[in-house]
Amino acid sequence: DARVTQTPRHKVTEMGQEVTMRCQPILGHNTVFWYRQTMMQGLELLAYFRNRAPLDDSGMPKDRFSAEMPDATLATLKIQPSEPRDSAVYFCASGLRQQETQYFGPGTRLLVL
Amino acid sequence: QKEVEQDPGPLSVPEGAIVSLNCTYSNSAFQYFMWYRQYSRKGPELLMYTYSSGNKEDGRFTAQVDKSSKYISLFIRDSQPSDSATYLCAMIGAAGNKLTFGGGTRVLVKP
Repeated sequence: DARVTQTPRHKVTEMGQEVTMRCQPILGHNTVFWYRQTMMQGLELLAYFRNRAPLDDSGMPKDRFSAEMPDATLATLKIQPSEPRDSAVYFCASGLRQQETQYFGPGTRLLVL
Repeated sequence: QKEVEQDPGPLSVPEGAIVSLNCTYSNSAFQYFMWYRQYSRKGPELLMYTYSSGNKEDGRFTAQVDKSSKYISLFIRDSQPSDSATYLCAMIGAAGNKLTFGGGTRVLVKP
C-alpha cells in the first residue's frame, strides 16, 4: 500500500529553534508539494518540486523557510528560526506530472512555544 | 474575497440522509475539480476528480461541476457515521499551476 510518509508526526519546540520536517513521497511520483494548514488560513501551498527541481516557493516566508529535495525519495522543509506563528500542521503531498492527483501524507503537527 | 468559497459548517445530518456540499469559485480558468475528505488529525484523501463541466458518480458519491455558474457540488447518498469528516474542494487551471483549496466543510453524520 503506497503512501506518503512524514516525520516527525509531532514536534514541540521553543521559539528560535530550528525545525526540520521530512517527507518520503510515493515511489515513482515526480512532484512533491509542501502545504501548511491552520484553522484561520486553511490549506496553503508553500512550495513544490518536480523531478527534484523547485518550481514554486512563492508561498514560503523566504527569510526563515527553506525546502529541498536531496534525492527522489526525500523532501525536507526547514524553518530557522521558528516562531510561534509557524505553529500549524505541515503536509507533504506527492503526485505524477499533473497536479490534480495529489496524495497527502499524515502531516507534521508543529507547536512553537 | 477568496478564489474558492466553501461554507465551513458544521453540517449535521442523520444517518442515511443525503449530504450536499458545494463550493463557488471566481477564476474561470479552473478546469480540474477535486473533492478531498479529511478525517480529524489525518491528511486529506482524494475522493473525486472531475474535468470541466458534468457529473461523475463513484459509489455513494456524486460530483457535479457547473462551469457556467462557477459552482461545484458533492453529494453523499446513504450517509454513514464514518462519513463524518471535513470535505475540501480543490481546483486547478489547465496550465497546471497551484491547486487552490476551499476552506472545508465539516460534516457530522449522527447514528
